[in-house]
Amino acid sequence: AQRVTQPEKLLSVFKGAPVELKCNYSYSGSPELFWYVQYSRQRLQLLLRHISRESIKGFTADLNKGETSFHLKKPFAQEEDSAMYYCALRKGGANNLFFGTGTRLTVIP
Amino acid sequence: DVKVTQSSRYLVKRTGEKVFLECVQDMDHENMFWYRQDPGLGLRLIYFSYDVKMKEKGDIPEGYSVSREKKERFSLILESASTNQTSMYLCASSGIEAHQPQHFGDGTRLSIL
Repeated sequence: AQRVTQPEKLLSVFKGAPVELKCNYSYSGSPELFWYVQYSRQRLQLLLRHISRESIKGFTADLNKGETSFHLKKPFAQEEDSAMYYCALRKGGANNLFFGTGTRLTVIP
Repeated sequence: DVKVTQSSRYLVKRTGEKVFLECVQDMDHENMFWYRQDPGLGLRLIYFSYDVKMKEKGDIPEGYSVSREKKERFSLILESASTNQTSMYLCASSGIEAHQPQHFGDGTRLSIL
């Protein structure tokens, strides 16, 4: 069965420091991986997806099939990055997503 | 821009009541979803629908049902509300094209007393 693991419930970094939010998955097929973000008092929104291979708000994430990981990285954290981050997986051909339990990132000024 | 609208931001109901949560999307999306969001548990899928009158159970369907009579509207029904259904409920929609992300509503914070 598929599973998405975000090992850190809470993560605090100082402004300007690098940040990495970990996401590991288990799925035998070819998954689609997503990162969603929820800022305070805002709706959950897509941050980025592995298929696009893009950088959004300075964040990047690379799908590592060997390590079954999709870690989210940013070289210099900003205060406005403080939010709840969810990693999500979609099985090939499926409609629904499987979410991790989320990591709350706090960027300390 | 995709708009997913949930009818209530906050709702307070009593144990045993029948509760309806409504969700409307304006992008002609085929897929619609209901999740509940709980601290430490992330988002868990309750039900989803891939077409009008079609539905599939998610990971935690017990105690819930859904209705999709029109393409734009997806309703979540708590048949007899219980205190353990106090939660944040999120609705989402997506198209059927490959690699489409889900778009979420603002959520309904439901309290069952």
